[in-house]
Amino acid sequence: GDSVTQMEGPVTLSEEAFLTINCTYTATGYPSLFWYVQYPGEGLQLLLKATKADDKGSNKGFEATYRKETTSFHLEKGSVQVSDSAVYFCALSSSGAGSYQLTFGKGTKLSVIP
Amino acid sequence: EPEVTQTPSHQVTQMGQEVILRCVPISNHLYFYWYRQILGQKVEFLVSFYNNEISEKSEIFDDQFSVERPDGSNFTLKIRSTKLEDSAMYFCASSLAGGPHEQYFGPGTRLTVT
Repeated sequence: GDSVTQMEGPVTLSEEAFLTINCTYTATGYPSLFWYVQYPGEGLQLLLKATKADDKGSNKGFEATYRKETTSFHLEKGSVQVSDSAVYFCALSSSGAGSYQLTFGKGTKLSVIP
Repeated sequence: EPEVTQTPSHQVTQMGQEVILRCVPISNHLYFYWYRQILGQKVEFLVSFYNNEISEKSEIFDDQFSVERPDGSNFTLKIRSTKLEDSAMYFCASSLAGGPHEQYFGPGTRLTVT
C-alpha cells in the first residue's frame, strides 16, 4: 500500500538557519503530494502541494519539488523564523479512482530558537 | 475565514462506553473525513463520506465505528464500545471536492479511554 516516510524529529534550528525536512513516498500510479503544518493547539493546515512530477509547491517561503525519479518531496526554507516552530507532515493522495484519503508521514517537530 | 470546528476538545471515557465526536465542516464543502493519530504515531485515515454515504473506509474503521451527518451542518463519529487502544487524537476534515484538493482540518478531539 501507499506509505510516506519523513525524517525523524525533533529538529532544532537557530533563527535564519536553512531548513530541510526529508520526505520519500511509496505509491502506485501518480499521487499528489502535500505538506501540512500543525501549530500548537490547532488543526493541520495545508502548507503547499504538487500534483505532478517536477511541480514545485511554494508558500510562505517554503518550497518542495515533486521528484518522481527519487520518489521524494523534501521541504525546504532558506531562513526559518521562530514563528515556523510547528509539526510538519508530509502526505500523499493516491491517484486511484475514488480514493481521496491522505496518507501521512509521522510528522517532524521543528523548534526555532532566537 | 471559514474553519472546521470539533467538539469536545478532550473526552475522557471508560472502556466499553459509547462516545460521539462532533464536527462542523465548512458549510459549502461536500466531502468529509475522519482521521486519527495515536500518540507518537502517524495520522491515519478512517473514513470518507460523500452524498450521505461512506465513500471509502480503512481497515481500522470496523463495526465499532459509524459516521453520520444528522443535519445540514454536523458530521459525527460514533464509537460504540470504546477500547483502550481507541485512545487517540481524532481529526475531522472537509473538502470542497474530491481528488487532490485541499482538505481542511479541525483542531482535533483528544479521546482518552480509561
